[in-house]
Amino acid sequence: GAVVSQHPSWVICKSGTSVKIECRSLDFQATTMFWYRQFPKQSLMLMATSNEGSKATYEQGVEKDKFLINHASLTLSTLTVTSAHPEDSSFYICSADRDRGKYEQYFGPGTRLTVT
Amino acid sequence: AQTVTQSQPEMSVQEAETVTLSCTYDTSESDYYLFWYKQPPSRQMILVIRQEAYKQQNATENRFSVNFQKAAKSFSLKISDSQLGDAAMYFCAYNTNAGKSTFGDGTTLTVKP
Repeated sequence: GAVVSQHPSWVICKSGTSVKIECRSLDFQATTMFWYRQFPKQSLMLMATSNEGSKATYEQGVEKDKFLINHASLTLSTLTVTSAHPEDSSFYICSADRDRGKYEQYFGPGTRLTVT
Repeated sequence: AQTVTQSQPEMSVQEAETVTLSCTYDTSESDYYLFWYKQPPSRQMILVIRQEAYKQQNATENRFSVNFQKAAKSFSLKISDSQLGDAAMYFCAYNTNAGKSTFGDGTTLTVKP
């Protein structure tokens, strides 16, 4: 149990376009989901916390107008990278929290974004 | 703010030997949770082991065990009988009751045959 899927796994887009990444909890309801960005051989950098039915909470330094997060249901959160630029190229990982931090976060397999 | 420090960017171990990865953290909370995650080349994060701060007993999962020293704020991971499949990046993480995780910078473990 506790599977999180992420789609797409790899996306290439042109500079200036927008791309949407979906994160789904497949067999449990997640009131909270998290979005991370990870550069090669580096740690996960928390971008935002997504709560179902409310606005996402962004970490300091993360542009909320560039990285739009929508947590439309208890099993789906989306991250939209708007007007993408090459510097947005990265690995994006979502995770879902099952019980307010008492258990591990359940991670999606990640999405590799390449902006050309 | 909570911080998690992994002082060993890289470690290597001979197959079948034992290796210990270090992690220290800083917090003013008394109730929290600690985790070790493994990230293999596929980049899928995998839970290795979990420790609740209120439990004095060190967690163990097969070949993986921790040495949790709450007063020292130390949470090291011991891997016994290392296998080639253990090669990965390992992250130490701290959870608050709100569910937000803080990760260390990671330790890349190489297993030599």
